[in-house]
Amino acid sequence: DIVLTQSPASLAVSLGQRATISCKASQSVDYDGDSYMNWYQQKPGQPPKLLIYAASNLESGIPARFSGSGSGTDFTLNIHPVEEEDAATYYCQQSNEDPYTFGGGTKLEIK
Amino acid sequence: EVQLQQSGPELVKPGASMKISCKASGYSFTGYTMNWVKQSHGKNLEWIGLINPYNGGTSYNQKFKGKATLTVDKSSSTAYMELLSLTSEDSAVYYCARNYSATGAMDYWGQGTSVTVSS
Repeated sequence: DIVLTQSPASLAVSLGQRATISCKASQSVDYDGDSYMNWYQQKPGQPPKLLIYAASNLESGIPARFSGSGSGTDFTLNIHPVEEEDAATYYCQQSNEDPYTFGGGTKLEIK
Repeated sequence: EVQLQQSGPELVKPGASMKISCKASGYSFTGYTMNWVKQSHGKNLEWIGLINPYNGGTSYNQKFKGKATLTVDKSSSTAYMELLSLTSEDSAVYYCARNYSATGAMDYWGQGTSVTVSS
């Protein structure tokens, strides 16, 4: 199985500043020119919400302050400028290979 | 509007089996595969498997083979997951989630079904 390691496990970012979350895969999640890495936001009591698909594509309705980048085994989610409502846990997920796997999550606190 | 409506919370005894439903609306049910995801302890997310409602084809995480069985009823646009021989390790929130075309990203999620296994 592909193991996804997220870092940091938690971070606190001041309002208006940048939050950067890393996701490293134990093997490449690229195939045929595409990177099968997705990012989700989850708030307490709610299901995960898709933010970014295929590494860098913004899901419809998601604010442009969210962006994703990376390829191969190294991926990044950026949030800039951070807003109060962005306080949540963020997960990466790979869909290149069965079984799909998720990272352990990064909890974002807004200062 | 796409919606996935799951069945309500369950309290079940060890050794029992139970089935969770996920009723889809607002889109062509047979046009998208459906995933099932387990969330334990409010954090860890695990992919259980997926089903293609068009032909009933399934793909399971090896870890959940023998534990979960995925089916669909096309006539009611409902996906089901049966959980077998439940133990305390199966206590979790379970989600259904639609696959976004061929990307494997999950673009719509049910609200989750809490399962508690206790005597």
